[in-house]
Amino acid sequence: QVQLVQSGAEVKKPGASVKVSCKASGYNFISYYMHWLRQAPGQGLEWMGVINPSGGSTTYAQKFQGRVTMTRDTSTTTVYMELTSLRSEDTAIYYCFSHYNWFDPWGQGTLVTVSS
Amino acid sequence: DIQMTQSPSSLSASVGDRVTITCRASQGISHYLAWFQQKPGKAPKSLIYATSSLQSGVPSRFSGSGSGTDFTLTISSLQPEDFGTYYCQQYSSHPITFGQGTRLEIK
Repeated sequence: QVQLVQSGAEVKKPGASVKVSCKASGYNFISYYMHWLRQAPGQGLEWMGVINPSGGSTTYAQKFQGRVTMTRDTSTTTVYMELTSLRSEDTAIYYCFSHYNWFDPWGQGTLVTVSS
Repeated sequence: DIQMTQSPSSLSASVGDRVTITCRASQGISHYLAWFQQKPGKAPKSLIYATSSLQSGVPSRFSGSGSGTDFTLTISSLQPEDFGTYYCQQYSSHPITFGQGTRLEIK
């Protein structure tokens, strides 16, 4: 079936980097853009950016420019989101979601905790 | 960036009630408006796209309307499983932005 499966929870120290993966299955991976957003504890949804799996082009929210990199591996139908220079405010659940069916499906979310 | 403002921030309603949530964009977004439902501990679920198009599998008691800057999500007859937080989202331009959410509680 159509689904996105994300990598597991991460605990990082301030200043470190994290790379979260999102594996797509059940649909033509390269045909649909993939977005990333995050949700801090008890907060709303914050869009981080989008990648075109076909050519790899990206658009990032200005807030994350210089700290976020989205990449894809077409051979494994996986997209990656790397966030660098982590700080405590980056503690959040990170989600990927596809344009396959109008912002559906979504990954299950990956909790990233930044703590010294 | 386009700011999305939802109201109310929270509401409590009874089973069978008609519920309306509004979303206002800081500038015109045509029909590029989506609605999501999120339950605690779960990823958001797409309900409506392009202002009024229902996602497959979403009950017909959900409907959306509006254009330009003002939009509404209506639940015609509230059911117990409709609790959760509802978000509007504009995808007219990047960055994609969301409303702050409306928490819906069943009385």
